[in-house]
Amino acid sequence: QKEVEQDPGPLSVPEGAIVSLNCTYSNSAFQYFMWYRQYSRKGPELLMYTYSSGNKEDGRFTAQVDKSSKYISLFIRDSQPSDSATYLCAMSLPSGGSYIPTFGRGTSLIVHP
Amino acid sequence: EAGVAQSPRYKIIEKRQSVAFWCNPISGHATLYWYQQILGQGPKLLIQFQNNGVVDDSQLPKDRFSAERLKGVDSTLKIQPAKLEDSAVYLCASSPLRGAYTEAFFGQGTRLTVV
Repeated sequence: QKEVEQDPGPLSVPEGAIVSLNCTYSNSAFQYFMWYRQYSRKGPELLMYTYSSGNKEDGRFTAQVDKSSKYISLFIRDSQPSDSATYLCAMSLPSGGSYIPTFGRGTSLIVHP
Repeated sequence: EAGVAQSPRYKIIEKRQSVAFWCNPISGHATLYWYQQILGQGPKLLIQFQNNGVVDDSQLPKDRFSAERLKGVDSTLKIQPAKLEDSAVYLCASSPLRGAYTEAFFGQGTRLTVV
């Protein structure tokens, strides 16, 4: 079993829909939880990160963490065609004074006009 | 602020050949990462440097892969000899702080094809 599980999709939605992306994890030692967006042939870029359980909102994006269930989610409201990308969840472990990030495999999202 | 620079962008080599990738992180960033991203998968951490010291290289296939970070700035990743399964995008990332979480900034990657 991988430490971070993420459904690869693809997830296809119409413009304006609410999108829900999810990851589960097995290692309770993970401390920081992140969502990255990766456009085709580009490097990932950070969307949001959170440390504790609960919700964190940034514009159309909401990140949700449930440490008791080892489950994290990213919600996208009013989705746009420009949101079409692969969304990677990532989690980091403390190690030797630094943090070691582990990524999920990514979910491909397609928002069609 | 200039981003993370990587070169080359693309490389095609035959199996058993050698290849090297170069990364120039964002100025002042202490932490540098090399990731391998196979098509359809998430990035897998190969090695993490803190300045010019190694924090983690547990997933680096040390029989064929090597990496160094000279003077705590630029870094090179080498594969010798390459195998077909090494075909992937090699991503370099850097982040500014040690200890507390900070954002990792990624380069565009080097796409390696081994034939």
